[in-house]
Amino acid sequence: AQSVTQPDIHITVSEGASLELRCNYSYGATPYLFWYVQSPGQGLQLLLKYFSGDTLVQGIKGFEAEFKRSQSSFNLRKPSVHWSDAAEYFCAVESGGGADGLTFGKGTHLIIQP
Amino acid sequence: GAGVSQSPSNKVTEKGKDVELRCDPISGHTALYWYRQSLGQGLEFLIYFQGNSAPDKSGLPSDRFSAERTGGSVSTLTIQRTQQEDSAVYLCASSLGVFGTDTQYFGPGTRLTVL
Repeated sequence: AQSVTQPDIHITVSEGASLELRCNYSYGATPYLFWYVQSPGQGLQLLLKYFSGDTLVQGIKGFEAEFKRSQSSFNLRKPSVHWSDAAEYFCAVESGGGADGLTFGKGTHLIIQP
Repeated sequence: GAGVSQSPSNKVTEKGKDVELRCDPISGHTALYWYRQSLGQGLEFLIYFQGNSAPDKSGLPSDRFSAERTGGSVSTLTIQRTQQEDSAVYLCASSLGVFGTDTQYFGPGTRLTVL
């Protein structure tokens, strides 16, 4: 069965600093990979996704992620965070059939210090 | 256009009561998904619909849970004889199809509290 690990439960970053959120997945083949963000009381918003091709993908709000097959990783990055980026971030994997739904990591809670 | 909507946004019920949670997907989306988000279990996939059909119900936590979809649109998740462990946020998502490349768009969720 596929699984997703987000090793950092909480991360604190100063406003304007760079950010990297880690995500590792376990799956036999190349999965479809996603990053979602959830603000308090809100649903999940898709930041970016990777299906194939260029391993560096650009998303909304200035986020990017890099797929590294050798490390089974799909880390999310942002060069300079804003206070509005404070939220919960979820990495997710889909086996490709869609019918199994998304498998999510436990999430990383991002705190922005002024 | 309009996104996925869910109602109610909050539901407080007493243990043993039945509850119905509603999801209105994005117009034209044939696939619809239900997830549960709880502190202990994180985000769990429950069930999906392709059109009005749910091919696999094995993800539902117990036989107290059921779901249906009518007219290829609105879906209802029903929990019978609610228990305190059912307290969670129930999220609905929809996508154009069930292919892995079809992005799932999520609603704001229904927060269920069982007293």
